[in-house]
Amino acid sequence: SQQGEEDPQALSIQEGENATMNCSYKTSINNLQWYRQNSGRGLVHLILIRSNEREKHSGRLRVTLDTSKKSSSLLITASRAADTASYFCATDARSAGNMLTFGGGTRLMVKP
Amino acid sequence: DSGVTQTPKHLITATGQRVTLRCSPRSGDLSVYWYQQSLDQGLQFLIQYYNGEERAKGNILERFSAQQFPDLHSELNLSSLELGDSALYFCASSPWGRGRTDTQYFGPGTRLTVL
Repeated sequence: SQQGEEDPQALSIQEGENATMNCSYKTSINNLQWYRQNSGRGLVHLILIRSNEREKHSGRLRVTLDTSKKSSSLLITASRAADTASYFCATDARSAGNMLTFGGGTRLMVKP
Repeated sequence: DSGVTQTPKHLITATGQRVTLRCSPRSGDLSVYWYQQSLDQGLQFLIQYYNGEERAKGNILERFSAQQFPDLHSELNLSSLELGDSALYFCASSPWGRGRTDTQYFGPGTRLTVL
């Protein structure tokens, strides 16, 4: 079963615009991670935000986490055509292992 | 390049067959995770090994099994294959995977096609 649900499922923007993707989850978490996947390829880790953090930045990426609402958002600023990919949030729940539960992903297309 | 390697890249086989997927974690990482990505089920966690021992189990079918060897590489064995097993299989590794916040680094995946 999927813990995280991304919204929107698909997003199309022009180069230079900002892209915002949202993720909601159901249970308490240790941390939340965002990954990027280019078509049919491996997942690339973008950023990890711990449950006691509210906001984190990495280059053009900004992630927020609201544990009271069980939601997170990923903002990509000044998007580029190379940002075209699927973006997944993944939660690491408070369980024995550190398995990740992924959402369905947001397919982002950035038009040049 | 995440440092996680998976072989083979592609695998085409027939129903009823058995295959083995191999994963080498990043140097020094003790945990290995297996995930399955299919169109209908999305990305799903299968199983985790930590330093040779099974740590957590997800939606892994009884026809599937895995192990982690003393050199920390891992193999995922899929048997009695069905058409629905066609998917991308990812391996990921992390330094710990035991009660600590861990980033998981994913390999490039093995694309399995069952005909």
